[in-house]
Amino acid sequence: GNSVTQMEGPVTLSEEAFLTINCTYTATGYPSLFWYVQYPGEGLQLLLKATKADDKGSNKGFEATYRKETTSFHLEKGSVQVSDSAVYFCALSDQTGANNLFFGTGTRLTVIP
Amino acid sequence: GAVVSQHPSWVICKSGTSVKIECRSLDFQATTMFWYRQFPKQSLMLMATSNEGSKATYEQGVEKDKFLINHASLTLSTLTVTSAHPEDSSFYICSARFSYNQPQHFGDGTRLSIL
Repeated sequence: GNSVTQMEGPVTLSEEAFLTINCTYTATGYPSLFWYVQYPGEGLQLLLKATKADDKGSNKGFEATYRKETTSFHLEKGSVQVSDSAVYFCALSDQTGANNLFFGTGTRLTVIP
Repeated sequence: GAVVSQHPSWVICKSGTSVKIECRSLDFQATTMFWYRQFPKQSLMLMATSNEGSKATYEQGVEKDKFLINHASLTLSTLTVTSAHPEDSSFYICSARFSYNQPQHFGDGTRLSIL
């Protein structure tokens, strides 16, 4: 089946620190992989995506590389800001099925000045 | 970019009442809309998938008579929580996509509190 395992939080970092949030997946086919961000009281926003092995998704200084050999899609940012404080969800979509999204449990990031 | 509007953003009501939540795609036609439920500090749980003009497909464990979904047009889907009780209190999020191979775009969610 399809599932996403995500690093548990919460994660607290100082401003300008390096961020890594781990994500691994299990999929029956060749999924697309996503990172979504949820700010307090809001819905989800697509942060970045990758649709095939070795693709790198990037946006707003965040990046993640689709690693088929390790079934991973870790999120990284070199220098976090207070405004990055949010909950981050790793997700996959099963291209061979209904193309629905399967989410990880989310990781809450708090960046302190 | 694609915009999905969800209304209301917050609703408080008494136990036993029914509550309707609307999800609109503002600048694209959504052939498929999704309804999720999110418990505090947990992930999103897919409740149902609806295609325009068809009956919704509910995930296992979701009561279809409790959570009525209507997708009458390509830009509007509604979720009605019937005879709501305190255990139905949650954050409900909708999403919409234009076609099968396009990404889902999410609304801002509705916080439902049943007293």
